[in-house]
Amino acid sequence: GQNIDQPTEMTATEGAIVQINCTYQTSGFNGLFWYQQHAGEAPTFLSYNVLDGLEEKGRFSSFLSRSKGYSYLLLKELQMKDSASYLCAVRDTYSGAGSYQLTFGKGTKLSVIP
Amino acid sequence: DGGITQSPKYLFRKEGQNVTLSCEQNLNHDAMYWYRQDPGQGLRLIYYSQIVNDFQKGDIAEGYSVSREKKESFPLTVTSAQKNPTAFYLCASSIGYGDEAFFGQGTRLTVV
Repeated sequence: GQNIDQPTEMTATEGAIVQINCTYQTSGFNGLFWYQQHAGEAPTFLSYNVLDGLEEKGRFSSFLSRSKGYSYLLLKELQMKDSASYLCAVRDTYSGAGSYQLTFGKGTKLSVIP
Repeated sequence: DGGITQSPKYLFRKEGQNVTLSCEQNLNHDAMYWYRQDPGQGLRLIYYSQIVNDFQKGDIAEGYSVSREKKESFPLTVTSAQKNPTAFYLCASSIGYGDEAFFGQGTRLTVV
């Protein structure tokens, strides 16, 4: 099984930078996804990391350290529309089945204030 | 436009009734999933299907059933055996199992 931890809630100011952390424990790590979910809506894909390091995509960046079981999502130049939940999801290999399983964390609710 | 469609968006049912939630995708994806989301909780996997005519139980399959007779469709039935069915249900699909998932808009089921 997997254990994924994210902070429950965070608050940040418009225009600022915020870092949302995700830690995980798994035996067969095979990638980590970040999704954004606005209230009452479907999650949408933000980023994917499978190797150590930083992936940058516009105002959003995601970092992974496999040895530490740690990832973060960095949001720059925060806008009010960034208020949403951010879900970390870890993919690992399925023992004996040669397949993957994907487990979602509980999500971090980010509130951006003026 | 390619995408994944869930219907209806809101659904009300009386306790003890079975109800079926629809999920259709035209992305030509092999894998499809059903998740349940409760307030303050992450997504919990109910059932998944890696390929047509095959499906597997997820972490919380009790009280639910699915079918995958067509590649495009993966309906979920919430049966009367599900003790606490009121929740937000999300369907998703991906090219292969465990790949980037594309989600439908969700169905909010309320049982009264």
